[in-house]
Amino acid sequence: AQSVSQHNHHVILSEAASLELGCNYSYGGTVNLFWYVQYPGQHLQLLLKYFSGDPLVKGIKGFEAEFIKSKFSFNLRKPSVQWSDTAEYFCAVNAGASGGSYIPTFGRGTSLIVHP
Amino acid sequence: ETGVTQTPRHLVMGMTNKKSLKCEQHLGHNAMYWYKQSAKKPLELMFVYNFKEQTENNSVPSRFSPECPNSSHLFLHLHTLQPEDSALYLCASSQGRTDGYTFGSGTRLTVV
Repeated sequence: AQSVSQHNHHVILSEAASLELGCNYSYGGTVNLFWYVQYPGQHLQLLLKYFSGDPLVKGIKGFEAEFIKSKFSFNLRKPSVQWSDTAEYFCAVNAGASGGSYIPTFGRGTSLIVHP
Repeated sequence: ETGVTQTPRHLVMGMTNKKSLKCEQHLGHNAMYWYKQSAKKPLELMFVYNFKEQTENNSVPSRFSPECPNSSHLFLHLHTLQPEDSALYLCASSQGRTDGYTFGSGTRLTVV
């Protein structure tokens, strides 16, 4: 079965600092990769996704992520964070399952706190 | 509003009660999911429905019983729950493998 590992459980940064959140997955076949964000008191929402093509994908609010197949990684980056980026960030993988369906698997999440 | 509506937003129930959580989407998505979100734990996938058919049951105890009467509605029937079942229960929907999920705001369940 596939799994998703997010290495940083808690990250604390000052505004304007650069951000990189690690995500590794274990699955040998074709995968689709996602990052979701959950702002305090709000629902989970899609930040960006990768399914084919350019391994560097850009999402909303200045976030980007790079798919490195050889490393089974999909790290999230932002060059300069803002206080409003304080949230929980989840990496997720869609991998194949029986009958043509697919199983979405989420990482544990990384809590990001940005100090003004 | 995300397009996925969950009711109720909050629920407190005793261990002997029976209650149901409801999820509704009118996005035209063909897959719907129940997730459990507990503090300091990964999101746990509970059930998956594709075109109203249950395709995954992630070893969920029988005190949780899903129902999907049509592709727009999903229920989670609860009975004889335990205090450790207290969590945020999230419903999500998606259209295809390469699409992301649209999540509802969740039902905050407390079992007393």
